[in-house]
Amino acid sequence: AQKITQTQPGMFVQEKEAVTLDCTYDTSDPSYGLFWYKQPSSGEMIFLIYQGSYDQQNATEGRYSLNFQKARKSANLVISASQLGDSAMYFCAMRAYSSASKIIFGSGTRLSIRP
Amino acid sequence: GAVVSQHPSWVICKSGTSVKIECRSLDFQATTMFWYRQFPKQSLMLMATSNEGSKATYEQGVEKDKFLINHASLTLSTLTVTSAHPEDSSFYICSARGPSGHIVLAVNSPLHFGNGTRLTVT
Repeated sequence: AQKITQTQPGMFVQEKEAVTLDCTYDTSDPSYGLFWYKQPSSGEMIFLIYQGSYDQQNATEGRYSLNFQKARKSANLVISASQLGDSAMYFCAMRAYSSASKIIFGSGTRLSIRP
Repeated sequence: GAVVSQHPSWVICKSGTSVKIECRSLDFQATTMFWYRQFPKQSLMLMATSNEGSKATYEQGVEKDKFLINHASLTLSTLTVTSAHPEDSSFYICSARGPSGHIVLAVNSPLHFGNGTRLTVT
């Protein structure tokens, strides 16, 4: 069985500070992909970043980076220099090769940026 | 980039009526689309996988006869909530795998989501 766990239901961060959102996962499949999505209050799901299980380097996309620790099965999202517009729900997700392309989501973390 | 359009964005209906939600991939062909349901302050729960030209695959616990899925073309999937009841009120969101260029079952192709439909059954 596959599982995604986000242990931080909510976080408050001061504007311009960096923030780390935690995500751990569990799968027995050696081939899998990890994703982070942002969901503003309007509801749309915005793809942020991807990390493959065989990738040697941590993924980066602008202010987003993924701290991938394969042995610990963690894929934490790091947002540098946070902005007020970063306030949203953030979901960690995983697709395993054996899961017929289905993506499962964690419970999410609500990030609030203080001015 | 890949765009998925979902319509309507919100709908209010009376108990007992049926509601149809459309999900379109605008600039790419999507042989597979996914339907998720999200209750307030909760995560997305996969309801079913919609396959073009074949029957949808439903997740355990999802009633096939209540949530009818049709994927008649490579760019359109529909979800019909039949005989809706207040407990069906939720946020429904569809998604599709990214455009061609990726291996069919490649783990790295992200899902592109529609903007969701907020259904309220009175």
